Amino acid sequence: QVQLQESGPGLVKPSETLSLTCSISGASTKTYCWSWIRQTPGKGLEFIAFICPSGDTNSTSSLKSRVTISTGTSNDHFSLRLSSVTPSDTAVYYCARVSRSYDKVDWFDPWGQGTLVTVSS
Amino acid sequence: QSVLTQTPSASGTPGQRVTISCSGGSSNIGSQNVCWYQQFPGSAPRLLIYATYQRPSGVPDRFSGSKSGTSASLAISGLRSEDEADYYCSSWDDSLESPIFGGGTKLTVL
Repeated sequence: QVQLQESGPGLVKPSETLSLTCSISGASTKTYCWSWIRQTPGKGLEFIAFICPSGDTNSTSSLKSRVTISTGTSNDHFSLRLSSVTPSDTAVYYCARVSRSYDKVDWFDPWGQGTLVTVSS
Repeated sequence: QSVLTQTPSASGTPGQRVTISCSGGSSNIGSQNVCWYQQFPGSAPRLLIYATYQRPSGVPDRFSGSKSGTSASLAISGLRSEDEADYYCSSWDDSLESPIFGGGTKLTVL
């Protein structure tokens, strides 16, 4: 059974970089694609980025210039970096496994429990 | 403002059949598969329906998905109190080259 757990600072100052890690058990970054998604009361669920074993990555156009998604050398975690954050980046951030076909994301399953990140001075 | 449009709320009584709709366009629902997620307060979304019609193992057959044109629907039959949750539709969008979500429907079981 695949389980995911997000970790990282719960508070980030404006203009700084948000960094989160997703720890994976029951699967490997070498066999599936993995993604970050966030949720805010105002904008709902928003896809951020995904990374695949081939090295393919993709991120939503509105965040592309600020997002870095990467995998670790141990194959059991992947990370998100979001630079130059503002209060509008305050959200619950989820990691999830991606089901992907023909260069499209089909669905996300399972999801981590999520971690709240607040951007405030 | 979500690309996929859902009615913000829906309700039903126990045993009733309820349908939640999701409206999109030709670049997403009209040409792509749809999936649905269920989310309880304070919890992560859970995959409920994938590939428009398919249920993951463990999801009761009371839940079913369908689509027609640029709209998709999630039907819940034999409504139960534990079905009270938020439901989100999602699809790939060919124009945005990105997965997109609906704004969610809060289902209340009266």
